[in-house]
Formats: sequence, C-alpha cells, structure tokens
Amino acid sequence: AQKVTQAQTEISVVEKEDVTLDCVYETRDTTYYLFWYKQPPSGELVFLIRRNSFDEQNEISGRYSWNFQKSTSSFNFTITASQVVDSAVYFCALSEEAGGGSQGNLIFGKGTKLSVKP
Amino acid sequence: DSGVTQTPKHLITATGQRVTLRCSPRSGDLSVYWYQQSLDQGLQFLIQYYNGEERAKGNILERFSAQQFPDLHSELNLSSLELGDSALYFCASSPWGGSDNEQFFGPGTRLTVL
Repeated sequence: AQKVTQAQTEISVVEKEDVTLDCVYETRDTTYYLFWYKQPPSGELVFLIRRNSFDEQNEISGRYSWNFQKSTSSFNFTITASQVVDSAVYFCALSEEAGGGSQGNLIFGKGTKLSVKP
Repeated sequence: DSGVTQTPKHLITATGQRVTLRCSPRSGDLSVYWYQQSLDQGLQFLIQYYNGEERAKGNILERFSAQQFPDLHSELNLSSLELGDSALYFCASSPWGGSDNEQFFGPGTRLTVL
C-alpha cells in the first residue's frame, strides 16, 4: 500500500544552521511523483518541488536542496543556512501513476514542524 | 497567492447541521481536489473532479458530497455534522488532474463544529 513517512515530528534549530527533513515513501508503482509542500503559520499550502520516479538527480533551488534516492525510497529535503522565515510545517507527498495517471490525488506524510530560532 | 479561492474562510456551526464549502480553481485548471486536514488524521484526500466529472474518491464519508459545476467551481457539502468533522478543508486545482500535475492549494476553510 502507498504510504509516506516523515519520522521527524518536530525539529528546532538556530538560525544559520543546516537542517534536513526526512521523507520515506512506499509504492508499488514504477512511475510516481514526489512533492514537498510548505505550510507556514498562516495555514496555506505552498508547493516547493515535484520529482518523478525516473529522475534521481538532486535538485538545488537557492538554500533548498532535495536528495532523491530510489534505492532507499527516500526524498529528503535540506535547508542550508536556515532563517526564521523557514519556520513552518513541511509535508512530503506521493502521487502514483495508478489509473493511467489520470488520478492525481496526493498521499501526504504527517509533516515535520520546523522551528528556526533567531 | 495560488489563484485558488475558497469561501468562507471560517465557519462555525453546530452538530447535526449542514454546510457548503466553495472553491474556485485557478484560471485554466480543469481538475479540483478536496482535502481535509485534522490533528489526528493529518492531510487526507477526499475527492477529485475533472471537468465536471468525479475522477477519484478517497476517504470521504457518506455524509459528505461534492460536485463540480460547468464553470468549474466546486462545492463540498458536509451534512449531519459531528464534532470530529472540525478541520481545515483545502481545495486544490491542477491543469488536467494527472498524477504529474502540481496542485495549487487554496487558503482553506476552517470548520468548527460545536
């Protein structure tokens, strides 16, 4: 069965520290997509990244980077030189190709609450 | 701003009542999703529509129903409300509803059932 696990419930760091948020997924599909979303205290869900199962290249966007490893079914997210504005709940999500790829519902992990202190 | 709008922002009602949540997708997006976020269950997929037709169903209770109208806006109807239905309800939209589509989320409707 499909599942996304974010084992870290809460992480607290001091500004400028690097932090990695872990995500482990389970799926039987060979084609699937992985996502990260950010939910700041204001409550909205903000899209950060999408990765497909055939692209294992790491991605970097400013202070954010993502490490996708199919061998360990992980899609980890690292924030370099964290800032107070990074404080939020971060969700990892999975979308499977089942149904011919026409059903895009997201399966979310429970989220990791990141607190960055000044 | 994602371009997805949801009304109302907050809703307070009593057990046994019925409410309707409304969502307008981003311009050009044909697919709408509804998700429920609660403390105990986390973020859960409820239902997906594409161009007016139901496409996928998740953990949606029988007391809940939804539809997508010809102008592509969607409504989620919650009836016989229980205390446990208190949650943040998100609507999301995507271009064609495929598994590779990025979903854009609205600001959510916070439902409190007293």
